[in-house]
Amino acid sequence: KNEVEQSPQNLTAQEGEFITINCSYSVGISALHWLQQHPGGGIVSLFMLSSGKKKHGRLIATINIQEKHSSLHITASHPRDSAVYICAVFRGSQGNLIFGKGTKLSVKP
Amino acid sequence: DAGVIQSPRHEVTEMGQEVTLRCKPISGHDYLFWYRQTMMRGLELLIYFNNNVPIDDSGMPEDRFSAKMPNASFSTLKIQPSEPRDSAVYFCASRKSGTGGGEQYFGPGTRLTVT
Repeated sequence: KNEVEQSPQNLTAQEGEFITINCSYSVGISALHWLQQHPGGGIVSLFMLSSGKKKHGRLIATINIQEKHSSLHITASHPRDSAVYICAVFRGSQGNLIFGKGTKLSVKP
Repeated sequence: DAGVIQSPRHEVTEMGQEVTLRCKPISGHDYLFWYRQTMMRGLELLIYFNNNVPIDDSGMPEDRFSAKMPNASFSTLKIQPSEPRDSAVYFCASRKSGTGGGEQYFGPGTRLTVT
């Protein structure tokens, strides 16, 4: 079983819809990251969380440390939100991140 | 800062040839990571360095792959001989220790095609 699981793997939405992507992990962490990758593009960091909730524009990320679960929400989705969203966790004791396999989001106009 | 720099951005080579991918981390960052990304497996960590020393190379697929970091501003990932199954996007990332959350900064990637 992977240490970081994301769901769904693929998601298609209509423009304007509210979107939720989930991430569950099975190890103790000191931080969780949400990353975005546009088709053919590089990987950029959206959020780094260790507790609670963060908001940036139409994107909201939450984390529940006790339940080992995080969600990424997109309000009023737009076709430009179409990308792969990747969850990754940082254990602190190790130098690297552990990645989920990503959620491919397609927002149709 | 220019960010993490990778070269080349695209590489097309024939099976059996040697391939060298290059990475310049962000100045002042003491961790450097090499990843491979494929549709099937997503992002896979190949190897990472701390202060130019390889810390974990358990993700390196086989002896055909090697990585070096001769100094704090340069690293190479070499594949010799290359095979079609090595076709993927290879990312380099760097981070600075002591920042708490492990945030990494990714380069633009090198798209490798082995025919």
